[in-house]
Amino acid sequence: LAKTTQPISMDSYEGQEVNITCSHNNIATNDYITWYQQFPSQGPRFIIQGYKTKVTNEVASLFIPADRKSSTLSLPRVSLSDTAVYYCLLFGGATNKLIFGTGTLLAVQP
Amino acid sequence: GAVVSQHPSRVICKSGTSVKIECRSLDFQATTMFWYRQFPKQSLMLMATSNEGSKATYEQGVEKDKFLINHASLTLSTLTVTSAHPEDSSFYICSAPHSGNTIYFGEGSWLTVV
Repeated sequence: LAKTTQPISMDSYEGQEVNITCSHNNIATNDYITWYQQFPSQGPRFIIQGYKTKVTNEVASLFIPADRKSSTLSLPRVSLSDTAVYYCLLFGGATNKLIFGTGTLLAVQP
Repeated sequence: GAVVSQHPSRVICKSGTSVKIECRSLDFQATTMFWYRQFPKQSLMLMATSNEGSKATYEQGVEKDKFLINHASLTLSTLTVTSAHPEDSSFYICSAPHSGNTIYFGEGSWLTVV
C-alpha cells in the first residue's frame, strides 16, 4: 500500500500563506492525490484533488511535481478558522483503500 | 460535492448491548464504503471496506464478529457494534468514493459505552 508522510505539525499566523508538503514515494500510476481538512469531532472535509501539475480552487492550490512523489497544499492567507488537521491521501487504481497517515496539525495564531 | 450522511451523530449504550450506525450516500450510489474509527488526537484507522451485495473486507486486527457490516443497498451501509464494551467507545466515520477517485466522508458518530 502506498504510504504518505507529512509533518506532524505546523504553526502560522493569520494572513500568511501556508504550504504543507506530503511525500508519497510509492504512488501508483492511477492514484489521485486528495487533501482533506478535519476539525475535532467532525469527518474529514474534501479540500482539493489532483493528478499532476497544479490545481487551484476557491480555497487552496495543489502543486504536484512531474514525478508525483510529493505534493504541496497551499492555503493562501490563513485565518484562525483554518486551524485543523490536514491529511493527504492517495486513492484510485492500485490503491483501493484509503489509508490515513498522521496528518498535519496546523495551528494558526492571531 | 457529494454528500455522505451518518446517523446517529451521538449514541450512548450500555455495556453488553449492540448499537447500529448508518452511513448513507445521499446523492450518489456507492458500491463501496469505508469504515474508520478514530480516538482523540489520533488519525483515522481503517476498520473495513463495505461492499454492496457481498461480505465486507476487514483490516487485520478488527474482529468481524464484533463489528458487523452490512451493505444491503447502493446507498446504505451499516456498522453494528455487538456486545459493546467501554473500550469500543470511539468516533466512527464512514466514507464513500464518488466519481471513481474522490472520497467523501460522513459527519462521524460518537459512540459512548457505559
